[in-house]
Amino acid sequence: EVQLVESGGVVVQPGGSLRLSCAASGFTFDDYTMHWVRQAPGKGLEWVSLISWDGDRTHYADSVKGRFTISRDNSKNSLYLQMNSLRTEDTALYYCAKAMVRGVIITGPPFDYWGQGTLVTVSS
Amino acid sequence: SYDLTQPPSVSVSPGQTASITCSGDKLGDKYVCWYQQKPGQSPVLVIYQDRKRPSGIPERFSGSNSGNTATLTISGTQAMDEADYYCQAWDASYVVFGGGTKLTVL
Repeated sequence: EVQLVESGGVVVQPGGSLRLSCAASGFTFDDYTMHWVRQAPGKGLEWVSLISWDGDRTHYADSVKGRFTISRDNSKNSLYLQMNSLRTEDTALYYCAKAMVRGVIITGPPFDYWGQGTLVTVSS
Repeated sequence: SYDLTQPPSVSVSPGQTASITCSGDKLGDKYVCWYQQKPGQSPVLVIYQDRKRPSGIPERFSGSNSGNTATLTISGTQAMDEADYYCQAWDASYVVFGGGTKLTVL
């Protein structure tokens, strides 16, 4: 059974930093591109970032580029999101999501599994 | 940036057909997928590559995509289908979501 379990969400002040983690199990983690998607309270889904199966390629939404860094440790079946210079508008539930298709094609596949999310609140 | 536009809300009577649209420039040239999200739950993929259903998704869910509009159709809508629905496509290396549509089953 595929499981994605996010952690690390807390209340943080504007300008602060935070690192989110996503523990994956039930599939061959290093075969798949992984994503972070967020959802502000009462709002829609917003894609944040992706990382290729090998960690060599990353992409970011314009809203987080230069402030967030996605990474992965395939030896630990874990995905991370380092969040710096946090703003109030970064307040959201952060989901990690798995690409549906394994391999070198990192753009195109939908997300077939999502975690339950971890809540990040940026507030003074 | 590429935008996907969905109606904020759609209402349907039980047993009837619900149609949720998603509009974008030349959207028919892209693959579209759809996610269902019930309150307090994570999104679930219900349609991918315009019209394919993942394992476990009921046959009453179908999709189409042509021109500038993709459509999610739910035939014989049930009360359990009441949820938010999001379309999604790729714009080069970026994932784009529609704003979401709240489906109410009256």
